[in-house]
Amino acid sequence: GAVVSQHPSWVICKSGTSVKIECRSLDFQATTMFWYRQFPKQSLMLMATSNEGSKATYEQGVEKDKFLINHASLTLSTLTVTSAHPEDSSFYICSARDRRLGADTQYFGPGTRLTVL
Amino acid sequence: QKEVEQDPGPLSVPEGAIVSLNCTYSNSAFQYFMWYRQYSRKGPELLMYTYSSGNKEDGRFTAQVDKSSKYISLFIRDSQPSDSATYLCAMSEPHGDSSASKIIFGSGTRLSIRP
Repeated sequence: GAVVSQHPSWVICKSGTSVKIECRSLDFQATTMFWYRQFPKQSLMLMATSNEGSKATYEQGVEKDKFLINHASLTLSTLTVTSAHPEDSSFYICSARDRRLGADTQYFGPGTRLTVL
Repeated sequence: QKEVEQDPGPLSVPEGAIVSLNCTYSNSAFQYFMWYRQYSRKGPELLMYTYSSGNKEDGRFTAQVDKSSKYISLFIRDSQPSDSATYLCAMSEPHGDSSASKIIFGSGTRLSIRP
């Protein structure tokens, strides 16, 4: 299967600071990447869809000015949590859509655990 | 009604048992079907991928799609404690090169295999 990496794997920051999380597809080009957040023992919640070279599409209730998404290349998307607060503490997971050879699957990164103090 | 319904569990079975995980869906246009496994504090891992109806087997795992009933299943034979995880089903419509379609996920079933 394809490989998607995320960096950092965990981060602790002070309230009011910004945090950037990177998502990379290592062995394929992904025109579409997705950002999810997940609270303990809950299901994945889609935050936004990131398309290479265009603006991200945010799900209802997700603040686009709070969660900045950039998809500057076919292998890299970044999520920046601006002015982070303790309620932003969560597990953030990215995924990359693989549509090679007529297939349609998503491969997930290992996730980033964000703790805001 | 959600597009994809999945029993959240938890489901607890003894080691060695056959596990059956299921999802139902309402969109008859879904053609791609996937099962993911997620361990605690990890990203989901793609387990099985099928296109249209039928069965697909990979080791101890069998994925089954019944499009007439809008029902998909994942069977795990000879279950092991290491299979304890949350299992998510997922599906999508074919949209050519369009990026407009989404992959829709079930909410996940928590599975526990007792030694």
